[in-house]
Amino acid sequence: QVQLKESGPGLVQPSQTLSLTCTVSGFSLTSYHVSWVRQPPGKGLEWMGVIWTGGSTAYNSLLKSRLSISRDISKSQVFLKMNSLQTEDTATYYCAREEGLYNSGYFDYWGQGVMVTVSS
Amino acid sequence: DTVLTQSPALAVSPGERVTISCRASESVSTLMHWYQQKPGQQPKLLIYKASNLASGVPARFSGSGSGTDFTFTIDPVEADDIATYYCHQSWNSPTFGAGTKLELK
Repeated sequence: QVQLKESGPGLVQPSQTLSLTCTVSGFSLTSYHVSWVRQPPGKGLEWMGVIWTGGSTAYNSLLKSRLSISRDISKSQVFLKMNSLQTEDTATYYCAREEGLYNSGYFDYWGQGVMVTVSS
Repeated sequence: DTVLTQSPALAVSPGERVTISCRASESVSTLMHWYQQKPGQQPKLLIYKASNLASGVPARFSGSGSGTDFTFTIDPVEADDIATYYCHQSWNSPTFGAGTKLELK
């Protein structure tokens, strides 16, 4: 069955770099896009960026200068790296599968999320 | 970026019909999707492309609209439907509405 699972540090110091991994199973990264979405505590959802089936990426314009998304197809993993973290980056970070054939853009499967706290 | 404005929190009783609205700041065609999120859980896709029911989702849930105005309906509401509902557009750089929290009367 389709699964996505995020992993990474729960605590990051201000100004440091966040590195997260999304490990997927039940589908191929060459058939579906994968996006990262985050949610600050008690707040709404924010799309961060996507890696498409062909390997190209797109980012939220507000995060573009700090964000990088990559993947390792052989390991079925998608990576997020974001630098210069601040307290406002404290959030639950989700990876989500996006339909890839017709580019309709909806997220049909989500990981359980990983909570990241930015604090010294 | 396209801004999505959702109706505020709503209080409902089981058995009632409830409609949540989502207005886009520009046309998004029918690339509007709806998710349910319960506390401590990841979002769950309910409706995709404005009116299509996601796999395994009960027919009590429905969606409609195109362009800038969309609605999401639950009829009838069940106690398990108490959650926050988000609209999401994928016509251009993806954005989400602020969420509509459904509460029990």
